[in-house]
Amino acid sequence: SQQGEEDPQALSIQEGENATMNCSYKTSINNLQWYRQNSGRGLVHLILIRSNEREKHSGRLRVTLDTSKKSSSLLITASRAADTASYFCATARNSGNTPLVFGKGTRLSVIA
Amino acid sequence: DAMVIQNPRYQVTQFGKPVTLSCSQTLNHNVMYWYQQKSSQAPKLLFHYYDKDFNNEADTPDNFQSRRPNTSFCFLDIRSPGLGDAAMYLCATSRDRAYGETQYFGPGTRLLVL
Repeated sequence: SQQGEEDPQALSIQEGENATMNCSYKTSINNLQWYRQNSGRGLVHLILIRSNEREKHSGRLRVTLDTSKKSSSLLITASRAADTASYFCATARNSGNTPLVFGKGTRLSVIA
Repeated sequence: DAMVIQNPRYQVTQFGKPVTLSCSQTLNHNVMYWYQQKSSQAPKLLFHYYDKDFNNEADTPDNFQSRRPNTSFCFLDIRSPGLGDAAMYLCATSRDRAYGETQYFGPGTRLLVL
């Protein structure tokens, strides 16, 4: 299976701290995406990083991709209580018209 | 605002009673997806439409069917819901399906089976 695996499964931090989540996958990819899901809601796309990119920033988000290790990390800096959510990585295969494959997610709790 | 809309947000049905969930989109995207998500799990893709071309995932039970009468609407039919079908059902769209296009999700319909 190509399914990404997030690590850790759950993370609890204090407001203002940084949160780091990791994702590992098994096959070659075209791109990797991160999504956020607030409790009881749909997923929201956060950021996409292509296989030829190593790092990408968007506001307080920083994503890295290491294709040699088949892993990615999502860093949220200066976390806020509103960042409390589940975060999923999703991978896109490097060939064919196939949909994204989502990982199991990391549940982040930011305590005020 | 362009968006993906799911109705209803909560659906209660009885064991074995057919139920239909609906999804509409104003993004004019070619692809529409249906996912099943159980508590603390990853979204599980059930099937997707690329325009009118239906693509079923290999492990999607026959109990689940879908219809896409036009670009904007897509329906999920559960013919005989079992207790194990209680879950959040998410609809998503993407402009295309090549190489993992970004997906846009609706708010989901939470299904309860009594």
